[in-house]
Amino acid sequence: GENVEQHPSTLSVQEGDSAVIKCTYSDSASNYFPWYKQELGKRPQLIIDIRSNVGEKKDQRIAVTLNKTAKHFSLHITETQPEDSAVYFCAANTNSNTGKLIFGQGTTLQVKP
Amino acid sequence: DGGITQSPKYLFRKEGQNVTLSCEQNLNHDAMYWYRQDPGQGLRLIYYSQIVNDFQKGDIAEGYSVSREKKESFPLTVTSAQKNPTAFYLCASSPTGSLGSPLHFGNGTRLTVT
Repeated sequence: GENVEQHPSTLSVQEGDSAVIKCTYSDSASNYFPWYKQELGKRPQLIIDIRSNVGEKKDQRIAVTLNKTAKHFSLHITETQPEDSAVYFCAANTNSNTGKLIFGQGTTLQVKP
Repeated sequence: DGGITQSPKYLFRKEGQNVTLSCEQNLNHDAMYWYRQDPGQGLRLIYYSQIVNDFQKGDIAEGYSVSREKKESFPLTVTSAQKNPTAFYLCASSPTGSLGSPLHFGNGTRLTVT
C-alpha cells in the first residue's frame, strides 16, 4: 500500500543552526503534503503545508520544498531555537477524495542551547 | 485547545474488556478521523468518516469499531479482538474530507490494557 518514509528519526543541532527533515512518498497521485509539530505531551499541530502545484513554500524560519518527479519533500528550519525541539511528522494524502493522510514515522528534533 | 475534546486523558482496562474512547468537536467539521500513535511508528489511521452515518476503514481497523450518528461525535471502541491495544489514540477533524483539508487534533487518550 501507500507509505511515507521519513528521515532521520532523530536530529540534534546547536541553537542557531539549520535542521532538515526529508520524506519520500509512494503514491504518485499524492498532491497535498502537510507537516505537523508535536511537543512533548501535546497534540500534533500543523506548521506548514504544500500542494503539488508549487515547488517551495516559506513561512518565516520554516520552509518546505517538493520534488514531484522524485516523490520527496523536505522541511527546512533555519536559525533553530530551543522551542523548536519537538517531534515533527510529514504526511501525504492518498485517495484525494477522502482527505486521508499517511504519516511518516516522525523525527525527534533536539535543539541544544 | 481548539474545538476537539477527547476524554478521558488516561484510560486503564483489563484485557478482554471493550472500551470506548470519546471524541467530540464543535468546529462544525464534516470529516473526523481516528489515529493510533506508537513510538517510532508515526500516526496510523484506524477509521475515518467524511459525513454523518458513513465511515471507512483505515489501515489498521481490525479490532476497532466506530459510529458517526452525529456530526459532532465520533466515538471509537477498542474491542477485545485488538491484539495490542495499549497506545496513544488521537482523534482529528477537518472542515471537509477532501484534498488539502488540514487536520485539527484533539489532545489524545492514552489507553493502557493489562
